[in-house]
Amino acid sequence: QITLKESGPTLVKPTQTLTLTCTFSGFSLSTSGVGVGWIRQPPGKALEWLALIYWDDDKRYSPSLKSRLTITKDTSKNQVVLTMTNMDPVDTATYYCALTNLNSSSDFFYWGQGTLVTVSS
Amino acid sequence: AIQMTQSPSSLSASVGDRVTITCRASQGIRNDLGWYQQKPGKAPKLLIYAASSLQSGVPSRFSGSGSGTDFTLTISSLQPEDFATYYCLQDYNYPFTFGPGTKVDIK
Repeated sequence: QITLKESGPTLVKPTQTLTLTCTFSGFSLSTSGVGVGWIRQPPGKALEWLALIYWDDDKRYSPSLKSRLTITKDTSKNQVVLTMTNMDPVDTATYYCALTNLNSSSDFFYWGQGTLVTVSS
Repeated sequence: AIQMTQSPSSLSASVGDRVTITCRASQGIRNDLGWYQQKPGKAPKLLIYAASSLQSGVPSRFSGSGSGTDFTLTISSLQPEDFATYYCLQDYNYPFTFGPGTKVDIK
């Protein structure tokens, strides 16, 4: 059974750095073709793709946020970490991590439940 | 970045209706498109991948078609549990981009 779960702070102050962890089970991020991505959704708004890391440590970022984002993986812990610097109230959103597998398609087949992050002083 | 548009932005329909949602890409994306269903307070759920492949466990009333720039999600007979917001996602190149969503509610 494949599961993903996001964890991290629910409230951060403007200018702070956000660190989110995606802990997963049921698959390995060392398997060829596997990737884990981050997607966010501001309240009442659409989904926004943020970043993605693959089994071979290839990393992809949204150009509009690239200067603020870092995605890393710890295969031994089954975790993917996303950091976002210089947080602003407009970054208030539910953040999701999700699994992709290039052997099928680049779509996100499994998602975490999401974690709501509020940016406020 | 490739821009994705969806139409309509919202629609009202009745149980049993046939519903069609369209997604258009600003440039050709082959068949690298997925459709997602999202209910309030829940994570998105993949319905269709590679434009027309039904994800395992998804009811057969959902179908997808299209390639290049124009894509369609069809629900052949709308069920009560299908009232939700639907998003398309292009995964042809980076950055992946979602459409703005189509909200399907009860007439």
